[in-house]
Amino acid sequence: LAKTTQPISMDSYEGQEVNITCSHNNIATNDYITWYQQFPSQGPRFIIQGYKTKVTNEVASLFIPADRKSSTLSLPRVSLSDTAVYYCLVGDVEYGNKLVFGAGTILRVKS
Amino acid sequence: DTEVTQTPKHLVMGMTNKKSLKCEQHMGHRAMYWYKQKAKKPPELMFVYSYEKLSINESVPSRFSPECPNSSLLNLHLHALQPEDSALYLCASSPKGLAGGPINYNEQFFGPGTRLTVL
Repeated sequence: LAKTTQPISMDSYEGQEVNITCSHNNIATNDYITWYQQFPSQGPRFIIQGYKTKVTNEVASLFIPADRKSSTLSLPRVSLSDTAVYYCLVGDVEYGNKLVFGAGTILRVKS
Repeated sequence: DTEVTQTPKHLVMGMTNKKSLKCEQHMGHRAMYWYKQKAKKPPELMFVYSYEKLSINESVPSRFSPECPNSSLLNLHLHALQPEDSALYLCASSPKGLAGGPINYNEQFFGPGTRLTVL
């Protein structure tokens, strides 16, 4: 399973765009890139998933360059409620397969 | 019903006790998972059940015994635990998705967890 590297923490202010980059140099051909969000004392929540180029949904965008060795989660106009830990996961997302969480990035949004 | 429920929310047990954690989902998902999460650490996979059969055991000590009685229910039986087993135990489930299909490939839906303290 590809190892991921993310910043340990980031600070931002309300209304700003936040970009969290994840490095995954050993990503394999079958691997997808998935991001989860976790609030204290809650289970992680799926944010977005992609294989290549750009994926956008109602909460975030995921940018993946052609070599797929890194990816960037973009959160537009963050609010205080976006303060959480964000995990980047890389792996073959076959049904019933395992997820390996990296260390995650603690995002603190200030007013 | 689009959620995974876990009971109890909190559990305190002694090292000689036997207790069980329960997880339920009614989304028709056929894969279910147990994770362990220590404070300020990421979740670590313990077990995966696929179609009610144990498919992955991440070398978890035998004092943790999983059980999947049916497609909606997942239990984790605990016996002779150690204080270092104190953690948040998370259950998750996932649907059978296809790459590029309408649902996110193997998106896992997590429950709120059971906070376990072993004295």
